[in-house]
Amino acid sequence: KNQVEQSPQSLIILEGKNCTLQCNYTVSPFSNLRWYKQDTGRGPVSLTIMTFSENTKSNGRYTATLDADTKQSSLHITASQLSDSASYICVVPFSGGYNKLIFGAGTRLAVHP
Amino acid sequence: DVKVTQSSRYLVKRTGEKVFLECVQDMDHENMFWYRQDPGLGLRLIYFSYDVKMKEKGDIPEGYSVSREKKERFSLILESASTNQTSMYLCASRPTRAGGANEQFFGPGTRLTVL
Repeated sequence: KNQVEQSPQSLIILEGKNCTLQCNYTVSPFSNLRWYKQDTGRGPVSLTIMTFSENTKSNGRYTATLDADTKQSSLHITASQLSDSASYICVVPFSGGYNKLIFGAGTRLAVHP
Repeated sequence: DVKVTQSSRYLVKRTGEKVFLECVQDMDHENMFWYRQDPGLGLRLIYFSYDVKMKEKGDIPEGYSVSREKKERFSLILESASTNQTSMYLCASRPTRAGGANEQFFGPGTRLTVL
């Protein structure tokens, strides 16, 4: 079954600390994996995309990794800020196309001062 | 910047009412989507459209219909709203380009409550 599972479901950290969010997928064939950030009451916004051949990609304080062998991705946030409080959603296209996506349920991150 | 707008941020309707949710994108994207988002679940695709007047069912089309009369506008219709349709509705659009991994751009969402 094609699935995307994220952990943890929720996370609370103190401002300035680092954290890592996990995404496991069973979608096949695999083409790419995208991380979205969704602020409360807003639509998701793309943070980064990982293609099959990429292992690591950074976008400012966000670093995504991909292990296509174990079908796992992680999103590492460095030196967290209050504005990082949001849900982070992992998304994989279904059957190699881009009109049907499989969304993880998301990790809700709260950064406290 | 791509902009996807939705007609309402919050909507409260009564059971049995006909509900229209409208979405407009300003980047000439061919593909448009309607999703619903519920706590603890990933976004679920209701319908999508790859061209004017063209539509395809997503994973949960029951109780919904859609209309795409113009390229920039995609409407979601709840023919007879029910309480189990209380949810956050998200519209998205995506260009069709050969190759690459096309990103979907999302609107701000409409939180619909059916009483």
